[in-house]
Amino acid sequence: EDKVVQSPLSLVVHEGDTVTLNCSYEVTNFRSLLWYKQEKKAPTFLFMLTSSGIEKKSGRLSSILDKKELSSILNITATQTGDSAIYLCAVSGGSNYKLTFGKGTLLTVNP
Amino acid sequence: EPEVTQTPSHQVTQMGQEVILRCVPISNHLYFYWYRQILGQKVEFLVSFYNNEISEKSEIFDDQFSVERPDGSNFTLKIRSTKLEDSAMYFCASSLGQGLGGANVLTFGAGSRLTVL
Repeated sequence: EDKVVQSPLSLVVHEGDTVTLNCSYEVTNFRSLLWYKQEKKAPTFLFMLTSSGIEKKSGRLSSILDKKELSSILNITATQTGDSAIYLCAVSGGSNYKLTFGKGTLLTVNP
Repeated sequence: EPEVTQTPSHQVTQMGQEVILRCVPISNHLYFYWYRQILGQKVEFLVSFYNNEISEKSEIFDDQFSVERPDGSNFTLKIRSTKLEDSAMYFCASSLGQGLGGANVLTFGAGSRLTVL
């Protein structure tokens, strides 16, 4: 059974801090790893990673995949209160493309 | 920006009743999905749908569940006889394609919260 584990499960920081969220996975025939941000409504797409060692960057957010360690990190620099959300990691694998999600990391950024 | 829309946003029903959750995927997307998230738990895959048929379903998706694309725009999830444990947020998603490219990125709707009493 495919498995995705995220850590920490929750994190409280102050505005301006840098955070690193972790995701590890066990999946048959890995295809891609995706990060989503979930606020009150729909999970919104952040990054898709397929190749090891290539950093994806969008503003203050960046992510990298390590296929050897079966893991990924999501970094957020200079955090803002608007970054408060649940960050979901999901992996696509096997003979199909369904996503297996982790439990998410609840990030709270205090002013 | 194109979005996936879901209705209703919240539905309360009695155990044993039938429920239909509706979704309008992004218009040029070809793959459609339902996921659910029980409160405090992971987002779980239910079913994927392509070319007017189910392409994969999870063990959660038993005979009580069905999906349909009744016309060119809607994608529905029906639960025939709801149980208490069906209470969850149900997310519809769609993607342009499947594979390693960006086309397989799923776009999610805002969800339909189902409460079964």
